[in-house]
Amino acid sequence: DTQMTQSPSSLSASVGDRVTITCRASRTVNTYLNWYQQKPGEAPKLMIYAVSNFQAWVPSRFSASGFGTEFTLTISSLQPEDVATYYCQQSYNLFTFGGGTKVEIK
Amino acid sequence: QVQLQESGPGLVKPSETLALTCNVSGASVSRDYWAWLRQPPGKGLEWLGYIHDGGTTNFSPSLKSRLSMSVDTLKNQFSLRLTSVTAADTAVYFCARDRRVWTTVTIFDVWGRGALVTVSS
Repeated sequence: DTQMTQSPSSLSASVGDRVTITCRASRTVNTYLNWYQQKPGEAPKLMIYAVSNFQAWVPSRFSASGFGTEFTLTISSLQPEDVATYYCQQSYNLFTFGGGTKVEIK
Repeated sequence: QVQLQESGPGLVKPSETLALTCNVSGASVSRDYWAWLRQPPGKGLEWLGYIHDGGTTNFSPSLKSRLSMSVDTLKNQFSLRLTSVTAADTAVYFCARDRRVWTTVTIFDVWGRGALVTVSS
């Protein structure tokens, strides 16, 4: 099966900072890579599908890119409402998720 | 607006069967794919399997021998059964709609709120 590894597992940054999360696949997932945001006590919420297709609710400060085995999710200016855990998920070979990146405000 | 709601026992004894139901409103279980996922306390997400077209299923290889899913079209629900549970099966179980975009891109675009199931004697 395809393993998904996210880094860092957690980060703490100041409001307004640029934040980047990396997701690496153990083998190619082509562009079949999605991102979810999960806030405490809530279900995950789909943010981005197929690398860079954004759901309507996602603010423009989020960007995403990648292909094959390496992908990134970037927040250009971290806001308090972005505090959450972010998960990548591949659908090229069944479905697996990364371990998550917990984003906090310093 | 599609909404999903999980229901079932919150406590299951070791070696017994975990059974959950997901009630679907705003969509028909006869269409689309429907998935179960879980999240152990403080940990990440795991896909368990999906059911489609009333009976076609695909399960995680690690759970295939213990897992079954079914659909009740009259009640517009789908269900999960996981046999021979252990403490490792303790998790929040989510049902979700599994949508296919461009054939092979699968997204979980609607989720239930989740149901915590604890395996303990």
